[in-house]
Amino acid sequence: AQSVSQHNHHVILSEAASLELGCNYSYGGTVNLFWYVQYPGQHLQLLLKYFSGDPLVKGIKGFEAEFIKSKFSFNLRKPSVQWSDTAEYFCAGGLKAAGNKLTFGGGTRVLVKP
Amino acid sequence: GAVVSQHPSRVICKSGTSVKIECRSLDFQATTMFWYRQFPKQSLMLMATSNEGSKATYEQGVEKDKFLINHASLTLSTLTVTSAHPEDSSFYICSAPSGTLNTEAFFGQGTRLTVV
Repeated sequence: AQSVSQHNHHVILSEAASLELGCNYSYGGTVNLFWYVQYPGQHLQLLLKYFSGDPLVKGIKGFEAEFIKSKFSFNLRKPSVQWSDTAEYFCAGGLKAAGNKLTFGGGTRVLVKP
Repeated sequence: GAVVSQHPSRVICKSGTSVKIECRSLDFQATTMFWYRQFPKQSLMLMATSNEGSKATYEQGVEKDKFLINHASLTLSTLTVTSAHPEDSSFYICSAPSGTLNTEAFFGQGTRLTVV
């Protein structure tokens, strides 16, 4: 069965700290991977995506993620967070053959203290 | 990027009544749309795939008679929660694929349903 799991439910950081959110996937085929962010009261927004090619993907707002096939992981990183990065982050995956039917991880709430 | 709009953003209804939620792709056509449900402090769970001009495909455990989906045009899918009960209270979100080869999903702002 397809699954996406996120390691942390809640993360609390101070501004300028580095952030890494874990994501592991389990799929029976070639997979597209995504990270979405949901700011309080707003839509889900795409941070970055991986389809193929360079396993280090750079997204918006200084975020990046690394696809490590051997570890079935797609961890999200940001070297120096800001208070405005306070949000909920979702890892998601979808089989390439299934269009954009996504399976979401449980989400990680990130609180950045000023 | 492409815009997906949901309406209403919030709705309160009485038990036993039905509620319709609309999902529109504003600047692109979508032959497929997806409906998700998000419980408080939980992740999004895919409920069904809405297919323009044909029947929706429901995920395991989702009652098709309870959650009626209609995708009558290339820009509109509707989800009707029939005979709503308090346990149907949730956040419902739709998405539509767009971009090159439909590889990116764009999400609506969601609809918070409260059944009293």
